Amino acid sequence: NAGVTQTPKFQVLKTGQSMTLQCAQDMNHEYMSWYRQDPGMGLRLIHYSVGAGITDQGEVPNGYNVSRSTTEDFPLRLLSAAPSQTSVYFCASSRQGDTEAFFGQGTRLTVV
Amino acid sequence: AQSVSQHNHHVILSEAASLELGCNYSYGGTVNLFWYVQYPGQHLQLLLKYFSGDPLVKGIKGFEAEFIKSKFSFNLRKPSVQWSDTAEYFCAVIAPRWANNLFFGTGTRLTVIP
Repeated sequence: NAGVTQTPKFQVLKTGQSMTLQCAQDMNHEYMSWYRQDPGMGLRLIHYSVGAGITDQGEVPNGYNVSRSTTEDFPLRLLSAAPSQTSVYFCASSRQGDTEAFFGQGTRLTVV
Repeated sequence: AQSVSQHNHHVILSEAASLELGCNYSYGGTVNLFWYVQYPGQHLQLLLKYFSGDPLVKGIKGFEAEFIKSKFSFNLRKPSVQWSDTAEYFCAVIAPRWANNLFFGTGTRLTVIP
């Protein structure tokens, strides 16, 4: 049982480049979400999904897009990377009605 | 607005010392509270959670937390820390406005000196 899998683990981008952070879970969880972790700021919610085809914005959605075409996958897209998006990104999933979230290993993104 | 405050940013303890990490929340409704731990280089793991019932909650690895509604607090405790408890600890509450996703505090880094 792999749980929540994120790829890549590390990424360096140039300003203006685009990329997609991948997140997959094999627990058949309805809820999936993306957080960013910055020093001194904890984890902040970027986007979330309560099921396939349904997404919504969290606390810091600007500069990011998401989609949820399947229950398993919830990719996060950076359309035009900016240095302010340098961060560690965590994907999480949980079962509807059970608010315990399971987290992936994280993606460390640096935008230069 | 909903918020979670962790006033201790960095705590340094010697092994066998007792630990208490503060967490205060502001939210007027029913709260579900969590403590997560992040060991160096790893992802977040659930330590314990409070939904209802006994306000003293026991979690993994000897951790416990007490929910005090009148003080809007959910402090994490451990009687005797070990070097392996060195990690960052996050308090979190459920955010109903975000379909019950988690709203995190800023975290407390714990360093345990052997």
